[in-house]
Amino acid sequence: SQQGEEDPQALSIQEGENATMNCSYKTSINNLQWYRQNSGRGLVHLILIRSNEREKHSGRLRVTLDTSKKSSSLLITASRAADTASYFCATDAGPNNLFFGTGTRLTVIP
Amino acid sequence: EAQVTQNPRYLITVTGKKLTVTCSQNMNHEYMSWYRQDPGLGLRQIYYSMNVEVTDKGDVPEGYKVSRKEKRNFPLILESPSPNQTSLYFCASSLFGGVASTDTQYFGPGTRLTVL
Repeated sequence: SQQGEEDPQALSIQEGENATMNCSYKTSINNLQWYRQNSGRGLVHLILIRSNEREKHSGRLRVTLDTSKKSSSLLITASRAADTASYFCATDAGPNNLFFGTGTRLTVIP
Repeated sequence: EAQVTQNPRYLITVTGKKLTVTCSQNMNHEYMSWYRQDPGLGLRQIYYSMNVEVTDKGDVPEGYKVSRKEKRNFPLILESPSPNQTSLYFCASSLFGGVASTDTQYFGPGTRLTVL
Protein backbone atom coordinates (compact mmCIF):
# COMPACT_ATOMS: atom_id res chain seq x y z
CA SER A 1 0.00 0.00 0.00
CA GLN A 2 1.16 3.54 -0.68
CA GLN A 3 -0.73 4.71 2.35
CA GLY A 4 1.01 7.00 4.78
CA GLU A 5 1.37 6.07 8.40
CA GLU A 6 1.11 8.44 11.30
CA ASP A 7 3.00 8.06 14.53
CA PRO A 8 2.02 7.90 17.31
CA GLN A 9 -1.42 6.37 16.88
CA ALA A 10 -2.60 8.23 19.96
CA LEU A 11 -1.22 11.17 21.91
CA SER A 12 -2.46 12.71 25.13
CA ILE A 13 -1.10 16.02 26.41
CA GLN A 14 -1.96 18.83 28.78
CA GLU A 15 -3.40 22.07 27.50
CA GLY A 16 -0.62 24.51 26.68
CA GLU A 17 1.89 21.83 25.72
CA ASN A 18 3.09 21.25 22.18
CA ALA A 19 1.92 18.24 20.20
CA THR A 20 4.05 16.60 17.55
CA MET A 21 2.87 13.90 15.21
CA ASN A 22 4.74 12.26 12.38
CA CYS A 23 3.86 10.84 9.02
CA SER A 24 5.87 8.45 6.90
CA TYR A 25 5.10 7.51 3.33
CA LYS A 26 6.49 5.09 0.80
CA THR A 27 6.76 6.67 -2.64
CA SER A 28 7.86 9.98 -4.13
CA ILE A 29 5.37 12.78 -3.77
CA ASN A 30 4.61 16.18 -5.24
CA ASN A 31 3.02 17.50 -2.09
CA LEU A 32 1.75 16.42 1.31
CA GLN A 33 -1.29 17.67 3.15
CA TRP A 34 -2.48 17.48 6.73
CA TYR A 35 -6.13 17.18 7.65
CA ARG A 36 -8.01 17.27 10.91
CA GLN A 37 -11.10 15.24 11.81
CA ASN A 38 -13.32 15.83 14.77
CA SER A 39 -14.94 12.65 16.01
CA GLY A 40 -17.20 11.10 13.38
CA ARG A 41 -17.16 14.17 11.15
CA GLY A 42 -15.64 15.09 7.82
CA LEU A 43 -12.00 15.98 7.40
CA VAL A 44 -10.90 19.59 7.28
CA HIS A 45 -7.80 20.70 5.41
CA LEU A 46 -5.10 22.27 7.58
CA ILE A 47 -2.00 22.83 5.51
CA LEU A 48 -0.21 21.73 2.35
CA ILE A 49 3.53 21.51 1.87
CA ARG A 50 5.13 21.01 -1.52
CA SER A 51 7.96 18.60 -2.12
CA ASN A 52 10.44 21.44 -2.65
CA GLU A 53 9.58 23.02 0.70
CA ARG A 54 11.11 21.98 4.00
CA GLU A 55 8.99 23.87 6.46
CA LYS A 56 5.71 25.73 6.50
CA HIS A 57 3.77 27.62 9.15
CA SER A 58 0.12 28.45 9.59
CA GLY A 59 -0.91 30.01 12.87
CA ARG A 60 -0.02 27.53 15.62
CA LEU A 61 0.79 24.84 13.08
CA ARG A 62 4.25 24.03 11.83
CA VAL A 63 4.83 21.36 9.22
CA THR A 64 8.15 19.98 8.13
CA LEU A 65 8.93 17.71 5.23
CA ASP A 66 12.00 15.55 4.69
CA THR A 67 11.72 13.94 1.29
CA SER A 68 14.97 12.02 1.75
CA LYS A 69 13.43 10.22 4.71
CA LYS A 70 9.94 10.25 3.23
CA SER A 71 8.54 11.76 6.37
CA SER A 72 6.67 14.80 7.61
CA SER A 73 5.82 16.17 11.02
CA LEU A 74 3.01 18.35 12.27
CA LEU A 75 3.63 20.46 15.34
CA ILE A 76 0.77 22.16 17.14
CA THR A 77 2.06 24.72 19.60
CA ALA A 78 0.32 25.85 22.78
CA SER A 79 -2.38 23.23 22.38
CA ARG A 80 -5.96 23.85 23.39
CA ALA A 81 -8.75 21.49 24.36
CA ALA A 82 -10.40 22.36 21.05
CA ASP A 83 -7.44 20.80 19.23
CA THR A 84 -8.64 17.39 20.37
CA ALA A 85 -9.20 15.51 17.12
CA SER A 86 -7.62 13.00 14.77
CA TYR A 87 -4.96 14.25 12.40
CA PHE A 88 -4.20 12.68 9.03
CA CYS A 89 -1.50 13.17 6.49
CA ALA A 90 -2.34 12.71 2.82
CA THR A 91 0.04 12.30 -0.09
CA ASP A 92 -0.53 12.64 -3.79
CA ALA A 93 1.43 9.51 -4.56
CA GLY A 94 -1.37 8.23 -6.78
CA PRO A 95 -1.95 9.41 -10.36
CA ASN A 96 -5.18 11.22 -9.62
CA ASN A 97 -5.93 10.83 -5.97
CA LEU A 98 -4.78 11.22 -2.42
CA PHE A 99 -3.59 8.52 -0.07
CA PHE A 100 -4.45 9.05 3.56
CA GLY A 101 -2.63 7.71 6.57
CA THR A 102 -4.31 5.97 9.48
CA GLY A 103 -4.25 9.05 11.68
CA THR A 104 -3.05 10.21 15.08
CA ARG A 105 -5.67 10.64 17.75
CA LEU A 106 -4.77 13.73 19.81
CA THR A 107 -6.37 14.38 23.18
CA VAL A 108 -5.69 17.70 24.88
CA ILE A 109 -6.56 17.65 28.55
CA PRO A 110 -7.82 20.97 29.96
CA GLU B 1 -22.30 28.49 1.85
CA ALA B 2 -19.75 26.33 0.06
CA GLN B 3 -20.28 22.76 1.10
CA VAL B 4 -20.44 19.09 0.31
CA THR B 5 -23.63 17.39 1.41
CA GLN B 6 -24.35 13.71 1.84
CA ASN B 7 -27.57 11.86 2.38
CA PRO B 8 -28.51 9.97 4.35
CA ARG B 9 -26.26 10.64 7.33
CA TYR B 10 -27.16 7.34 8.97
CA LEU B 11 -28.48 4.18 7.37
CA ILE B 12 -29.17 0.70 8.65
CA THR B 13 -30.02 -1.83 6.00
CA VAL B 14 -29.98 -5.57 5.35
CA THR B 15 -27.76 -7.67 3.17
CA GLY B 16 -28.63 -7.51 -0.51
CA LYS B 17 -30.92 -4.50 -0.45
CA LYS B 18 -29.69 -1.99 -2.99
CA LEU B 19 -28.96 1.47 -1.69
CA THR B 20 -27.65 4.80 -2.89
CA VAL B 21 -25.80 7.43 -0.90
CA THR B 22 -26.03 10.82 -2.53
CA CYS B 23 -23.29 13.43 -2.62
CA SER B 24 -23.63 16.96 -3.88
CA GLN B 25 -21.26 19.94 -3.96
CA ASN B 26 -22.06 23.56 -4.76
CA MET B 27 -18.53 24.77 -5.53
CA ASN B 28 -18.41 23.83 -9.21
CA HIS B 29 -15.60 21.41 -8.46
CA GLU B 30 -14.48 19.06 -11.17
CA TYR B 31 -12.97 16.39 -8.92
CA MET B 32 -15.10 14.26 -6.60
CA SER B 33 -14.26 11.20 -4.60
CA TRP B 34 -15.66 8.62 -2.21
CA TYR B 35 -13.80 7.23 0.79
CA ARG B 36 -14.60 4.73 3.45
CA GLN B 37 -13.15 4.97 6.91
CA ASP B 38 -12.65 1.94 9.12
CA PRO B 39 -10.92 1.69 12.51
CA GLY B 40 -7.21 1.07 12.14
CA LEU B 41 -7.33 1.41 8.36
CA GLY B 42 -7.73 5.14 7.93
CA LEU B 43 -9.44 6.48 4.84
CA ARG B 44 -9.42 4.37 1.72
CA GLN B 45 -10.57 5.67 -1.59
CA ILE B 46 -13.40 3.81 -3.30
CA TYR B 47 -13.91 5.71 -6.56
CA TYR B 48 -13.09 9.11 -7.91
CA SER B 49 -14.19 11.28 -10.78
CA MET B 50 -12.09 13.82 -12.61
CA ASN B 51 -15.10 15.35 -14.35
CA VAL B 52 -18.55 14.61 -15.72
CA GLU B 53 -18.76 11.09 -17.17
CA VAL B 54 -15.18 10.37 -16.07
CA THR B 55 -14.86 7.94 -13.17
CA ASP B 56 -12.14 5.60 -12.03
CA LYS B 57 -11.46 3.03 -9.36
CA GLY B 58 -9.66 3.86 -6.16
CA ASP B 59 -8.13 1.39 -3.72
CA VAL B 60 -11.27 -0.51 -2.69
CA PRO B 61 -13.88 -0.36 -5.49
CA GLU B 62 -15.29 -3.89 -5.15
CA GLY B 63 -19.00 -3.93 -4.37
CA TYR B 64 -19.52 -0.27 -5.27
CA LYS B 65 -20.65 1.70 -8.29
CA VAL B 66 -20.66 5.41 -9.00
CA SER B 67 -21.93 7.73 -11.67
CA ARG B 68 -21.17 11.31 -12.61
CA LYS B 69 -23.89 12.59 -14.88
CA GLU B 70 -23.75 16.13 -13.54
CA LYS B 71 -20.82 18.05 -12.19
CA ARG B 72 -22.38 18.65 -8.79
CA ASN B 73 -23.56 15.11 -7.99
CA PHE B 74 -21.60 11.93 -7.39
CA PRO B 75 -23.80 9.17 -5.94
CA LEU B 76 -22.37 5.98 -4.45
CA ILE B 77 -24.35 2.85 -5.22
CA LEU B 78 -24.21 -0.44 -3.36
CA GLU B 79 -26.04 -2.91 -5.59
CA SER B 80 -25.99 -5.75 -3.06
CA PRO B 81 -24.64 -4.56 0.28
CA SER B 82 -22.85 -6.98 2.55
CA PRO B 83 -21.88 -6.70 6.23
CA ASN B 84 -18.25 -5.97 5.33
CA GLN B 85 -19.44 -2.73 3.78
CA THR B 86 -20.48 -1.47 7.19
CA SER B 87 -18.40 1.66 7.49
CA LEU B 88 -18.28 5.43 7.65
CA TYR B 89 -18.38 6.91 4.16
CA PHE B 90 -17.15 10.32 3.08
CA CYS B 91 -17.62 12.18 -0.14
CA ALA B 92 -15.08 14.84 -1.03
CA SER B 93 -14.54 17.33 -3.82
CA SER B 94 -11.82 19.64 -5.03
CA LEU B 95 -11.50 22.15 -7.82
CA PHE B 96 -9.30 19.89 -9.87
CA GLY B 97 -7.56 16.61 -9.23
CA GLY B 98 -4.64 15.01 -10.89
CA VAL B 99 -0.97 14.59 -10.34
CA ALA B 100 0.68 17.30 -8.27
CA SER B 101 -2.66 18.85 -7.49
CA THR B 102 -2.45 21.36 -4.69
CA ASP B 103 -6.18 21.59 -4.38
CA THR B 104 -7.76 21.25 -0.99
CA GLN B 105 -10.31 18.50 -0.71
CA TYR B 106 -13.58 19.48 0.93
CA PHE B 107 -15.30 16.69 2.78
CA GLY B 108 -18.92 15.98 3.43
CA PRO B 109 -20.16 15.23 6.96
CA GLY B 110 -20.12 11.47 6.47
CA THR B 111 -22.65 8.66 6.16
CA ARG B 112 -22.59 5.92 8.75
CA LEU B 113 -23.80 2.73 7.11
CA THR B 114 -24.63 -0.49 8.91
CA VAL B 115 -25.40 -3.59 6.88
CA LEU B 116 -27.01 -6.39 8.89
